[in-house]
Amino acid sequence: AAGVIQSPRHLIKEKRETATLKCYPIPRHDTVYWYQQGPGQDPQFLISFYEKMQSDKGSIPDRFSAQQFSDYHSELNMSSLELGDSALYFCASSPPPWGAYNEQFFGPGTRLTVL
Amino acid sequence: GESVGLHLPTLSVQEGDNSIINCAYSNSASDYFIWYKQESGKGPQFIIDIRSNMDKRQGQRVTVLLNKTVKHLSLQIAATQPGDSAVYFCAESTSGTYKYIFGTGTRLKVLA
Repeated sequence: AAGVIQSPRHLIKEKRETATLKCYPIPRHDTVYWYQQGPGQDPQFLISFYEKMQSDKGSIPDRFSAQQFSDYHSELNMSSLELGDSALYFCASSPPPWGAYNEQFFGPGTRLTVL
Repeated sequence: GESVGLHLPTLSVQEGDNSIINCAYSNSASDYFIWYKQESGKGPQFIIDIRSNMDKRQGQRVTVLLNKTVKHLSLQIAATQPGDSAVYFCAESTSGTYKYIFGTGTRLKVLA
């Protein structure tokens, strides 16, 4: 079965650089979620999109932005990278109709390292 | 791959024994709860879920118990196997929101 695809899987950047993470949801899933997981931490919700509109926002820094495109893939743009941004970034998707009871399917994550 | 849960609480159990992993949630308005398993370098994998109108739900070798009075959730794994070794997270969600709030994970180590 198709799963959530994230690219790249690994990314190394310098401080103050920018990074773009991509997420391709499971086919026919219309909701995408982004999470950040630091070493030894639980995943922290960043932002979500439903039908290409932002649906909820968590602890996402102002330096980050995200969007969902017409084909439902999503991109997380990160600017002015800081050392503390080094983490695993997970994307998850869920199918319609959205509800609190819809399971979120997680991708394999992108490991971002900021030097 | 990256080691997930470097400083997380650890539960060590003998292979074949039952495991119980506990989780306290924070929001009394949460009405949907999920347990995820995360292996090193991988994304969280769904194990089992439960809605707030239930106290117990069983799956294959796993049972989730929900105590809304004390805002406590537990995951029971029967006949624990080496492949169960991973970090386990509980997550809570509330109707009308588009996010999960994850609790502190627990590392499960299965001893042969």
